[in-house]
Amino acid sequence: AQRVTQPEKLLSVFKGAPVELKCNYSYSGSPELFWYVQYSRQRLQLLLRHISRESIKGFTADLNKGETSFHLKKPFAQEEDSAMYYCALNYGGSQGNLIFGKGTKLSVKP
Amino acid sequence: KAGVTQTPRYLIKTRGQQVTLSCSPISGHRSVSWYQQTPGQGLQFLFEYFSETQRNKGNFPGRFSGRQFSNSRSEMNVSTLELGDSALYLCASSGQGNLPGELFFGEGSRLTVL
Repeated sequence: AQRVTQPEKLLSVFKGAPVELKCNYSYSGSPELFWYVQYSRQRLQLLLRHISRESIKGFTADLNKGETSFHLKKPFAQEEDSAMYYCALNYGGSQGNLIFGKGTKLSVKP
Repeated sequence: KAGVTQTPRYLIKTRGQQVTLSCSPISGHRSVSWYQQTPGQGLQFLFEYFSETQRNKGNFPGRFSGRQFSNSRSEMNVSTLELGDSALYLCASSGQGNLPGELFFGEGSRLTVL
């Protein structure tokens, strides 16, 4: 069955330190992977998607099919990066059917 | 453009009652998906509608149902409420210009079942 695993519930780093939020997935086909973010008192929103190979707010994520991972990275964390981060898998091309990981709360300390 | 709007934002029901939640998607979006969010299970897909047709359904009992109207607004209904149905119910929409999986979420309807 398809599954998304985020092993860390909470990740705490100091401002300026590198950040890596881990995501592993289970899917035998060609996955489409996303990172969604929810800042305090804001809606869940798309941060980035693997197919675009983009950098958003300094974050990047590379799909590693061999390790079935899609880790989110940022070289220098900022306090405003503090939020809940969810990794999500879309399979079968459906528009709105995502499998979400349980999320990692990132806390960036000053 | 106005974002995805969900009503009501908060509601309290008792076991055995039923509830209807409403979602207005972003103007022009025809796909509406519903998710249940709980501390234990996280975000779980309920169902997806497109042009008034249910396109996908998650692994939830038949007490959970939904529909979509011609103006793309959607409702979901939960009958015979159980304590475990207490959750944040999120609606998300997407349009033709969006890639699969690119969703715009509402603020959610927080349901408490007593």
